[in-house]
Formats: sequence, C-alpha cells, structure tokens
Amino acid sequence: EVQLVESGGGLVQPGRSLRLSCTASGFSFDDYAMSWVRQAPGKGLEWVSFIRSKLYGGAVEYAASVKGRFTISRDDSESIAYLQMTYLKPEDTAVYYCTRFFRGNSEYFDLWGRGTLVAVSS
Amino acid sequence: ETVLTQSPATLSLSPGERATLSCRASQTVGSNLAWYQQKPGQAPRLLIYDTSNRATGIPPRFSGSGSGTDFTLTISSLQPEDFAVYYCQQRSNWLTFGGGTKVEIK
Repeated sequence: EVQLVESGGGLVQPGRSLRLSCTASGFSFDDYAMSWVRQAPGKGLEWVSFIRSKLYGGAVEYAASVKGRFTISRDDSESIAYLQMTYLKPEDTAVYYCTRFFRGNSEYFDLWGRGTLVAVSS
Repeated sequence: ETVLTQSPATLSLSPGERATLSCRASQTVGSNLAWYQQKPGQAPRLLIYDTSNRATGIPPRFSGSGSGTDFTLTISSLQPEDFAVYYCQQRSNWLTFGGGTKVEIK
C-alpha cells in the first residue's frame, strides 16, 4: 500500500526541540521530493518545507516562518523523511502532515500522511 | 509571496446543486494552481492540478478553470460526500494555500 506515516509529535515546551519522522512505503521514495505541511487547530494549511530528490540535488526550501529553526532531511535507504524542529514557539502548534510531490518533482501534494500533532506550550 | 484569497468562506447548498468556488491570487500564478478537499479529521486530498487537470480517481463532476489571478473550482452536482473544506494552492511563487471554502449542507 502506498502510504506515509508520521511519528514524533507530542507536547513540548517553548524553546525546546522535536524531530518528526515520515516513513514511506509502497513507492520509490528516492524518486520523490518530500514536504511537510502543517495545520494549526481550526485553521488552514501552511507549507513548511520540502526536500527534493537526489536527482534534483536534494535541494531544500523553507517557509519564512520556520527558516533558521527547522531542518528537513531524508534517508533514502530507509525511506524516511525528517523534520528537525528547534526553538519551538507556541505558534508552531499544529498537525504536521508529511506529503509527497506530485509526479516526483511537481510542487503539488498528491500523497498525505494522517498527520502528527505538535503542541508547544508551557 | 503570493496570497490566495478564497471566496466565499462558506457555501451553503443542497445535494444535487452546483457549487462554484473562487480563488484569487495577489499576483499572476499562470496555470500553476491546484485544489484540495479536506474532510473533518482527514488529510487533504488532491483534486485538481495545473488549474484544470483532475488527479487520479477524481470524478468528472469536479472541474477547474481560470488563469493568471482568477480561478474557479466547480462541482457540477453536489454529492453527500462532497461537503467538506476546499483549498487552493499555488506553486508559482513559493508554495501558498488559500484560506479555504467550507461547503456545507443547506
């Protein structure tokens, strides 16, 4: 089955760090750019970061709201994408979805995980 | 960054009616626009990409149109499973989403 499964969410204090993982299965992970999209409670969707496949140099990009605090990476041998989040703020509270780029490198999101909730609070 | 403004915020319709959702971009995005459907407690699902192309498995009652700054998602005859929140997303200038339109049962 083609799927993405996120893990690593939870309750964390402001200023602390958390690492999210996204385990992929059912498709050739190394052919696809991977991305994280988040959704604050009761709010809309916000793109967070993406990492391209090795074929496209593994380039990474970040939304302005997380640049310098979050780091995306990937392990193609394990079919896992990561999001290392540091200096977390209450406004980072959201469900974080792992997503896949459409047709490998096209910046639409054609596969989504079920999401993992990150709550930043003291 | 390109801001996407969706209207209306809420659309109240009955099953069988036609739904017309709007997405307006603050600057041109060409045809680089997608639509997603999200039901409560679920992840979004890609419906339309590049303005007017249906994603795999999406029924033909969903159609997209537009170009430049003004885009429309049309659901020709609402089915019970279509009541949900719909988001547009552009990829021309960074990646941004609209605020969403909720299609609710009247």
